[in-house]
Parts: sequence; C-alpha cells; structure tokens
Amino acid sequence: ETGVTQTPRHLVMGMTNKKSLKCEQHLGHNAMYWYKQSAKKPLELMFVYSLEERVENNSVPSRFSPECPNSSHLFLHLHTLQPEDSALYLCASSQDGTGGAGSEQYFGPGTRLTVT
Amino acid sequence: QKEVEQDPGPLSVPEGAIVSLNCTYSNSAFQYFMWYRQYSRKGPELLMYTYSSGNKEDGRFTAQVDKSSKYISLFIRDSQPSDSATYLCAMKGVTGGGNKLTFGTGTQLKVEL
Repeated sequence: ETGVTQTPRHLVMGMTNKKSLKCEQHLGHNAMYWYKQSAKKPLELMFVYSLEERVENNSVPSRFSPECPNSSHLFLHLHTLQPEDSALYLCASSQDGTGGAGSEQYFGPGTRLTVT
Repeated sequence: QKEVEQDPGPLSVPEGAIVSLNCTYSNSAFQYFMWYRQYSRKGPELLMYTYSSGNKEDGRFTAQVDKSSKYISLFIRDSQPSDSATYLCAMKGVTGGGNKLTFGTGTQLKVEL
C-alpha cells in the first residue's frame, strides 16, 4: 500500500448505528487530518492530530469522535448521526502539523457516507 | 464574504485549449498557495504548491500568485480529456493556525474531444 488509504470506501448507516472510519498513511508523516466534503461547499477541516496529539477540533459535534493511536493510523468514530452528516469524509497527512514549507497535505480517496 | 472565492463552473473547453482557473482571497496573511485536482469519487491530489508571489511551472501546469491583488491562477496548456476534474485552490498563513488550509469550493473542468 502506498500513500494514504481509507476504509471503507462507502458506508450507509442508520441514525442509531455506530460505525468507524479508518485511515492509514504509509508516508512516514507526523500529522493527520479529517475533513468533510459536502456538495458545493469548501472542504471543512474537522480534526488535526500532530504526533498523536489532537491540536485542532473545529467545533465538530460530539457525535464525531476521532482517535489517533499512532502516527500512521487515524479513526473517526460515528454515532447517532444525522442525514445532514452525509458527505465524503477525507483523511490527509503531512510531514508535520506546524505549517510552513514541507507540510503539504496528501489526501486519501475518502469514505462516501450516507446516513439514512 | 467567503475567505476564498472560486467560480464553481462548469468550465468546458476543447482539447488543446489553454485553461485558466482562478481564486481570489481576502486574508492578506495567506502566504502558501496550493492547487489540488480531484477526479470524481477520488480524493484531492496535490498539483502545485507555491510560496508568496510569483510563478511556478511544472510540465503543462503553471501556478501564478499575485498577492497585491489577492489573486491566484492555475494555467493548463494543451489541455487533455484526462484533465477533466474539479480543481481546488487552497491557502494558508505562515504563523499561527498550524497547518490549517482554507479551500475554495472548486471549479469543475471538462475538456472535450
């Protein structure tokens, strides 16, 4: 595997379900990100982890719960979602999370989530 | 007013045309500027990464930044059907905000045979 991988690629869940999205990066990076992409809207940053510590939580509802057990893996735990949470969820990684040169973000293919 | 404005298109051009994609922004603190390409049902792919003002060329792609006008452009020469995708601009500052990117909504490009 190379780059950033995400599983599952597609997920349909009911509002009472609990599911998890998984992201794995094979780039040796130290920072990982979750983004939400909805139609006609810019990418919305949800969470940032740098060296496994959460450094940003962008006012995301508590029904989304991130977990970063190590610098290569990132999870997004989902529970009691709403239909408006249906979107493409993208994971990204970068060499570091501090900004500046050398911190370009590389994205995975995304998980297409549908909440029914 | 959005921090980053980008015409959503769709933009349709014939094969071989020169394509110009643009973004304007309002935050003068932005110093790093990126262009991503996103094919349907895929994640964004980093195409160009530039710092401050000026031009950067990579093959058929040229990125331009005009900080005085708060305007960035991506030019695609000799466009191909394989260039059909959504192009996202993104930008960030140098200090503060960590590595947080601010994105445009994306411009959908279709290159026709």
